[in-house]
Amino acid sequence: DQQVKQNSPSLSVQEGRISILNCDYTNSMFDYFLWYKKYPAEGPTFLISISSIKDKNEDGRFTVFLNKSAKHLSLHIVPSQPGDSAVYFCAASARGGSNYKLTFGKGTLLTVNP
Amino acid sequence: DAGVIQSPRHEVTEMGQEVTLRCKPISGHNSLFWYRQTMMRGLELLIYFNNNVPIDDSGMPEDRFSAKMPNASFSTLKIQPSEPRDSAVYFCASSLFGGVYEQYFGPGTRLTVT
Repeated sequence: DQQVKQNSPSLSVQEGRISILNCDYTNSMFDYFLWYKKYPAEGPTFLISISSIKDKNEDGRFTVFLNKSAKHLSLHIVPSQPGDSAVYFCAASARGGSNYKLTFGKGTLLTVNP
Repeated sequence: DAGVIQSPRHEVTEMGQEVTLRCKPISGHNSLFWYRQTMMRGLELLIYFNNNVPIDDSGMPEDRFSAKMPNASFSTLKIQPSEPRDSAVYFCASSLFGGVYEQYFGPGTRLTVT
C-alpha cells in the first residue's frame, strides 16, 4: 500500500519553462512533507520542505504547494535549468508520538532540455 | 563539513558470500537509517537507530540481513549469505531529532550479487 504516490515516472520540459512535479498521499496523519533531488550515482539531497500549517513554501526557484484537503503537494521549479535534470522524490512524515519515518514516493525523472 | 560517508561505493560478489557495508554519519546526528533502493520497490527503510540503539528493524527483509552501530560514528549492514535478489543500491542516512525532518543521505553502495 503506497502511502505516497508520484504518478508521473518522468517529465520533460524546456529550459526556462516551469516544471511542476506532483505528489499525492493517503495518510491523513502526515504533517510534514519534503522534496529530495537525486542525481545518478549520488544519494538523495534534501531540497525543500513544508509543514502542514502552511500551504506554500518558497526557496529561490523552488516552491512547494500543499493542498491538505486534496492530500496533494507539488513542486514548482521556475525557471527550469538543465542542471535541474534529476530524479525528484516526495517524502512525508507524521511528527507526533514516536514516529520517525520518512515515507518516500517512487520518484519522478525530470529532464530539462536546453 | 563532511557529509555521510559510505564504503565501498561499489561491491560485486558471488552468491553465498558475506557482504559488509559501512557508514559514517554526520557528526552530532543521533539518528541513523539504512535504506535499500530498487526499481520495483523504490526506497525502502531497512533499519533505524537512535543514539546507537536499533529502534525498528521491521524493514530488514530476512535473517540474512543484520546491522550494528557500535558507536555514534560508525554503522555496518551485513548480508550473510548474499543472494542475487539482494542486488540494489544501499543508502545510509543520518539526522537530528529522529527521522521525521530532513535526513541526509550518503552516496550509496551499489551491490551486485552474481
